Amino acid sequence: NAGVTQTPKFQVLKTGQSMTLQCAQDMNHNSMYWYRQDPGMGLRLIYYSASEGTTDKGEVPNGYNVSRLNKREFSLRLESAAPSQTSVYFCASRRDSVTEAFFGQGTRLTVV
Amino acid sequence: GIQVEQSPPDLILQEGANSTLRCNFSDSVNNLQWFHQNPWGQLINLFYIPSGTKQNGRLSATTVATERYSLLYISSSQTTDSGVYFCAVENSNSGYALNFGKGTSLLVTP
Repeated sequence: NAGVTQTPKFQVLKTGQSMTLQCAQDMNHNSMYWYRQDPGMGLRLIYYSASEGTTDKGEVPNGYNVSRLNKREFSLRLESAAPSQTSVYFCASRRDSVTEAFFGQGTRLTVV
Repeated sequence: GIQVEQSPPDLILQEGANSTLRCNFSDSVNNLQWFHQNPWGQLINLFYIPSGTKQNGRLSATTVATERYSLLYISSSQTTDSGVYFCAVENSNSGYALNFGKGTSLLVTP
């Protein structure tokens, strides 16, 4: 069982470039999440999808878009990357709200 | 939203020592998890513990939901315990997602 898989693991972008972070889970979970982690901070929620076909904004959604492609996959898109988006991005999934969440290994993104 | 405070922010231990990490939260919760972020950045699930006490080897956790805190105990610490420990909570007002504290950074020295 792979659990939650994120690609890529590392990425360097130039300011203004776009990219999509991919996340897939094989646990048949309904809910999926994107968080970002900055130095000295806990994780902050960017967007989430409580179930297939729904997405909602979290605490820090500006500059990002998401797509719940199907039950397994939840992607995060940066349309025009900015240095402030330099961060480590984590995808998570869980069966439903209030159940145990599982995290991917993270994507370290640097915007120069 | 719900506030999560972890203490201490930093901790240095010698191998073999015991420690207690604390997580306070500002509202009632129906979900609480402890995670260990290892030096490679991976988030590892330690406990799913909205209430009660659980043990897993040298680690144990207790959540007293009525008093709005949780404790993580590490006994006989090892260098591999180094990293950052996060508490994350959820309630019906937190937007259907976990809210994280800022973590406790633990360094265990040989």
